[in-house]
Amino acid sequence: DGGITQSPKYLFRKEGQNVTLSCEQNLNHDAMYWYRQDPGQGLRLIYYSQIVNDFQKGDIAEGYSVSREKKESFPLTVTSAQKNPTAFYLCASSTSPGAGGFFGQGTRLTVV
Amino acid sequence: GNSVTQMEGPVTLSEEAFLTINCTYTATGYPSLFWYVQYPGEGLQLLLKATKADDKGSNKGFEATYRKETTSFHLEKGSVQVSDSAVYFCALSDNADKLIFGTGTRLQVFP
Repeated sequence: DGGITQSPKYLFRKEGQNVTLSCEQNLNHDAMYWYRQDPGQGLRLIYYSQIVNDFQKGDIAEGYSVSREKKESFPLTVTSAQKNPTAFYLCASSTSPGAGGFFGQGTRLTVV
Repeated sequence: GNSVTQMEGPVTLSEEAFLTINCTYTATGYPSLFWYVQYPGEGLQLLLKATKADDKGSNKGFEATYRKETTSFHLEKGSVQVSDSAVYFCALSDNADKLIFGTGTRLQVFP
């Protein structure tokens, strides 16, 4: 079945450590996105990529980094520079403008 | 810039009641509009969408009409069920195909 897989579902890290969240899709979508969701809030865009080997900053890119070496994969690294990294992270992909996003199940990151 | 405003929640209803969740937007051009639903601990699922003025999106008994004159995309359902309890997000897609979300509205349906 086609879809987006985020792993792991839960992730714990110590403060000061970098951590990479995985996002893989087999939908053959060109565009991929990372969002952050905090309790009781909407989704905020971290980074997006509309084509392999290219990506753009979203609204809250500071303290995060991404790569897009393959169409299927768009990993997100939460660096130690991110001041408040504990959140629910959602990856999405899209086939074309106006199609909307297809979301993964999310990764809940807790930094202690 | 582009933005989406949703009514504050939670919205609390009895089963079989009529549902309206208000959504208004600010955008340049003609964005596509979406409603997403999020169940506890899960990602978002696309519920319905509309891509141009006067379009009506519908799915699973939910409906929303793209009203350009009032810049609105209100979500409605004639008879809610307990299983509809979730958080609902209104969103728009800008020219760069980025999704801009509202803050979400929690719906609680009681038997």
